[in-house]
Parts: sequence; C-alpha cells; structure tokens
Amino acid sequence: QKEVEQNSGPLSVPEGAIASLNCTYSDRGSQSFFWYRQYSGKSPELIMFIYSNGDKEDGRFTAQLNKASQYVSLLIRDSQPSDSATYLCAVMVYSNYQLIWGAGTKLIIKP
Amino acid sequence: AAGVIQSPRHLIKEKRETATLKCYPIPRHDTVYWYQQGPGQDPQFLISFYEKMQSDKGSIPDRFSAQQFSDYHSELNMSSLELGDSALYFCASSPSGEGGLWNEQFFGPGTRLTVL
Repeated sequence: QKEVEQNSGPLSVPEGAIASLNCTYSDRGSQSFFWYRQYSGKSPELIMFIYSNGDKEDGRFTAQLNKASQYVSLLIRDSQPSDSATYLCAVMVYSNYQLIWGAGTKLIIKP
Repeated sequence: AAGVIQSPRHLIKEKRETATLKCYPIPRHDTVYWYQQGPGQDPQFLISFYEKMQSDKGSIPDRFSAQQFSDYHSELNMSSLELGDSALYFCASSPSGEGGLWNEQFFGPGTRLTVL
C-alpha cells in the first residue's frame, strides 16, 4: 500500500461545477501537504500547500486538511476546461524531509 | 519571476552512453531535488542536495551520480544508460528558512531523456 493514496480517476466534472479531489496518507508524522497540478508532459506546478487543520482558500482553490482522519482534499470551484490535468498530492514528513507523492488523479472538465 | 532552469530540454542517447543533465535553481534557493518520472507515474525521488552537500538519497541507481556546485546549480550524471532510463527528469528547488515554507518545491520544466 502506497503511503499516499489518490483515486487515479479520471474524474469528470462539468464546467462551472466544483471538482473535489481527495488524498489519504498513512504516516501520522506527516506535517506538510501539497497539491501540484501537472499537465501532460509538463512539470508539476504547486497549487496549494497546507499545514494546519481546517480550510485554506486561494482564489478558486480550497485545500482542506483533517489530520485526525489523515486526509487532505482540494476543491476547485467554477471548474474551467483549463483545469483539466493530473493533480498530485504530496506529503512531507519532517523526519526525512522527503516529499511522498500520490499517483495523481486525472481531472477532466467537460465544457 | 525567475524559475528553475533545466538543460537540455530534450536528449536522445543510445544504450551504454552517458548523459549529463543540468539544473539551475531559483535564486536564493539552496536545496535541489532530482526526480524521475516515467509515463503515467508519479515523480520518483532520486537525490537531493542542501548547501552543496547531499542531503538525502532515494531510488537513484548506482550508475547515476549527482552533485551541487558552489553556485548552487546541480548536475545529474547518468552512465551506462539503459532503455528503462527513458523518462522525464525533473529538478526542483526550495528555499531554506523558518515556518516550514522551505518545504515547497518548485519544479523546472524537465529534461526528456530518450534512450534508444
């Protein structure tokens, strides 16, 4: 079992709707959580990071962290076709300072 | 804003050849990470450097080596290339500092290596 789990998708969402991406992790020592967006053949691009329980909003993006349940999610409001990409969840454990990556969720926004 | 620079962007080599990939981090970033990403896979951590010293090692084959230079740029040297080494190789950099923000990794555009 991977330390960071994501549904591989594809997740299909109509344009203008809310896309909800989920990620669970196994190491309770995890302390930093990141969402990266990756277009095919391109490098991962940092979208959001979150450290504290609760919600963090940035424009159309909201990251939610629940350390007790060991999950982190990313909500994308007013989804646009340009949001279609693979979204990678990454978790940092301070003990070794490595990012542990999920396999990514492919998101498709249908016009 | 300045981003991570990688060169070359594309590289084609034959089996058993050698390759050198270069990475220039964002200015004032002192930590560099190397990743390998195969088709449809998540990035696999290879190795990282902090202040010109190796800080962590992942799934880097013994045929590969890397170093960080005094100007903080890094080079990944790959020898005895195999077909399975064909992948996207990303470099990421992060700043050091307090508050946990140094964990953020900013990725370069990647080098696409094809081994024939």
